[in-house]
Amino acid sequence: KQEVTQIPAALSVPEGENLVLNCSFTDSAIYNLQWFRQDPGKGLTSLLLIQSSQREQTSGRLNASLDKSSGRSTLYIAASQPGDSATYLCAPGGSGNTGKLIFGQGTTLQVKP
Amino acid sequence: ETGVTQTPRHLVMGMTNKKSLKCEQHLGHNAMYWYKQSAKKPLELMFVYNFKEQTENNSVPSRFSPECPNSSHLFLHLHTLQPEDSALYLCASSQVGALGEAFFGQGTRLTVV
Repeated sequence: KQEVTQIPAALSVPEGENLVLNCSFTDSAIYNLQWFRQDPGKGLTSLLLIQSSQREQTSGRLNASLDKSSGRSTLYIAASQPGDSATYLCAPGGSGNTGKLIFGQGTTLQVKP
Repeated sequence: ETGVTQTPRHLVMGMTNKKSLKCEQHLGHNAMYWYKQSAKKPLELMFVYNFKEQTENNSVPSRFSPECPNSSHLFLHLHTLQPEDSALYLCASSQVGALGEAFFGQGTRLTVV
């Protein structure tokens, strides 16, 4: 059974810092991995999708890496801004592209002006 | 309309009521999902529909009854719920067989009184 752990659980930083959010998963037989952002009481916004054959993906100030064999993914946020404050969720997708995602508890980020 | 739309956004119901949650996706995807997000817990997958057929029921109590009349619409029928069923219910869709990126709706905040 896939289990996902995200570290740290919470993070508070001043504006402008570069951040690293960590995700580990127990079953390396994944089809892909997504990073999402969730604002309080809202739905999930897809940030990055990494296929199992890829090592990283970039979108603007965000960069996600994937080490499938070791069951790890990292989300790097450059030059953080107050608008980045949210909960970040990592979700590996099961093998066979069933579309089923398993979520961790997330990392709640607060960026202070 | 674009993306994944959920209605209603908020719902308060008594334990003896019957209500339904609606989800519609405008992305041409072939798979739809219901997730439950309770306070202090990770998102939990409830149901999976591929090409209108239910392919997974993640041990969900029968007081939750899903319906998928076509690949664009998904319902969750609720009856005789318990207060512990209060949560944010999220609908998602993806294209199984392709990249598999999942997109989520804004959710329905359900309160059972």
